[in-house]
Amino acid sequence: EAQVTQNPRYLITVTGKKLTVTCSQNMNHEYMSWYRQDPGLGLRQIYYSMNVEVTDKGDVPEGYKVSRKEKRNFPLILESPSPNQTSLYFCASWGLDYNQPQHFGDGTRLSIL
Amino acid sequence: AQKVTQAQTEISVVEKEDVTLDCVYETRDTTYYLFWYKQPPSGELVFLIRRNSFDEQNEISGRYSWNFQKSTSSFNFTITASQVVDSAVYFCALSLRVDSSYKLIFGSGTRLLVRP
Repeated sequence: EAQVTQNPRYLITVTGKKLTVTCSQNMNHEYMSWYRQDPGLGLRQIYYSMNVEVTDKGDVPEGYKVSRKEKRNFPLILESPSPNQTSLYFCASWGLDYNQPQHFGDGTRLSIL
Repeated sequence: AQKVTQAQTEISVVEKEDVTLDCVYETRDTTYYLFWYKQPPSGELVFLIRRNSFDEQNEISGRYSWNFQKSTSSFNFTITASQVVDSAVYFCALSLRVDSSYKLIFGSGTRLLVRP
């Protein structure tokens, strides 16, 4: 089954404690991306990757890091989380053919206290 | 400026009514893609449709239809004979290339409530 898997689904943590949200896709997609969803703002792109070792900033990259060492994985790293990073996060992947749908993970709800 | 506007924050209809969700986008690019996604109360994002800027053909999929008009920069979504299961937040999004980058811009979403 085609899937984008994010972990964890929920996390409550404290300011400054490094955390990583993992994202993995099994569709051999070239593109992957991270978004955060906040009330009234829709989804905003944090980082995206066009292929292995190729990443670029989205609209709201401050406070986040990513890496793409393998095609299937695209972890999101918060080196020193702060309360303003409390949000719902989505990972997505899609291929080069525009007729293919984008696939989203089920979301990760992060609360930074 | 590149932007997606969903002016309707919330819409409430009674089951079996038709409802149209508006989406207006801004870009100077000639090549771009437009999307609609559904986010049900369970929270996941469900892809509904993707169109490219060169294909203005309207599309129908069951009770769903989409009206793409470049002249008005709109990509509206109509649900015919709405059902309670259609209750969700719906997002319109614009995808385009910026230099070697690939940018996806979402609207703020429209919450649809279908009452029995």
